[in-house]
Amino acid sequence: KQEVTQIPAALSVPEGENLVLNCSFTDSAIYNLQWFRQDPGKGLTSLLLIQSSQREQTSGRLNASLDKSSGRSTLYIAASQPGDSATYLCAVTRISGYSTLTFGKGTMLLVSP
Amino acid sequence: GAVVSQHPSWVICKSGTSVKIECRSLDFQATTMFWYRQFPKQSLMLMATSNEGSKATYEQGVEKDKFLINHASLTLSTLTVTSAHPEDSSFYICSASEQGISQGTFGSGTRLTVV
Repeated sequence: KQEVTQIPAALSVPEGENLVLNCSFTDSAIYNLQWFRQDPGKGLTSLLLIQSSQREQTSGRLNASLDKSSGRSTLYIAASQPGDSATYLCAVTRISGYSTLTFGKGTMLLVSP
Repeated sequence: GAVVSQHPSWVICKSGTSVKIECRSLDFQATTMFWYRQFPKQSLMLMATSNEGSKATYEQGVEKDKFLINHASLTLSTLTVTSAHPEDSSFYICSASEQGISQGTFGSGTRLTVV
């Protein structure tokens, strides 16, 4: 059974810092990996999706890497801003899976001004 | 882009009553919809997968008689929590997927509180 772990569970940083969120998964037979943002009491916003054949994806200040063989992914946020404060979720799609995702518990990020 | 509307965004109900949550795909045909549940500080857990016109497939440990899922059209799926109890209080999120598109689009979620 696939398990997804995110470290740290919570992170508090001052504005402007670069930071790294970690995600690990137990079964490397994944179709893709996705990073989401969730604001309190809200739904999910997809940030980056990395196919299993890819090593990384970038969008603005966000960069996500994937090392499928070791079961790890990182989300790098450059020059953090207070508006980045949210919970970040990592999720993997099982191979040949049709959109069913296995989620980690998330990292709650607080960026203070 | 694909948009999924979920309603209501929050609901409070009394124990023993039933609550219906709607998930609509606004600009695409959702052949498959997924329902997730999220307890505080926990992962989103898949509850069930439904294909339009078919019975939903429930994950292990999810009571199909308690969580009724209907996916009668390509744009609407409903989740009904029957005889709700306080332990059913949670955040419920749907995801809708268009045929041939592997990733779903998530709704905004429904916060259910049973008192």
